[in-house]
Amino acid sequence: EPEVTQTPSHQVTQMGQEVILRCVPISNHLYFYWYRQILGQKVEFLVSFYNNEISEKSEIFDDQFSVERPDGSNFTLKIRSTKLEDSAMYFCASSVEGGRVNEQFFGPGTRLTVL
Amino acid sequence: KNEVEQSPQNLTAQEGEFITINCSYSVGISALHWLQQHPGGGIVSLFMLSSGKKKHGRLIATINIQEKHSSLHITASHPRDSAVYICAVTMDSNYQLIWGAGTKLIIKP
Repeated sequence: EPEVTQTPSHQVTQMGQEVILRCVPISNHLYFYWYRQILGQKVEFLVSFYNNEISEKSEIFDDQFSVERPDGSNFTLKIRSTKLEDSAMYFCASSVEGGRVNEQFFGPGTRLTVL
Repeated sequence: KNEVEQSPQNLTAQEGEFITINCSYSVGISALHWLQQHPGGGIVSLFMLSSGKKKHGRLIATINIQEKHSSLHITASHPRDSAVYICAVTMDSNYQLIWGAGTKLIIKP
């Protein structure tokens, strides 16, 4: 069964460093998403991406964050200068459709620890 | 502000019990999702519904659009059902997925 994959599973970085989190969505999916979950808190929407551009983003997704689909398979989330409060689990998701009907399939997550 | 509220926050039950988890929301939605998060963190989509009722195995999800309320039921619960169950809604205005805080379910053998 096709699945969303994410690498690495755990990333440890120093404050101020850049990190890139990678995701490979399901191959026939057209909509891609990033979410984060700070330990003990709710999952929060970060950004959605369709047709090589951002379609929605939350207040959390500030200039420190960027997303890219550098090739036909990968979908990346870059954090330019990490802060302690960026420590969280980051989930990638993809869906065939977007908008009102968007059953999303989730990757296993990348745990980011900023020291 | 909490657009999506779940209850209870924590639920411990004995194997075989019938489980109900509730979700209320305050925003206009186009769909409601029930998801399961395992102890390792992975998230699995269980249901997406916009009206009525859906059933998959021992899991049943219902939604009442007028009352802005949904329930997830588990029949004949089993220890392997132990997980965090999360309600999330697709907002009508911008299609973002807004998440509840989750219900931590523990089923004891």
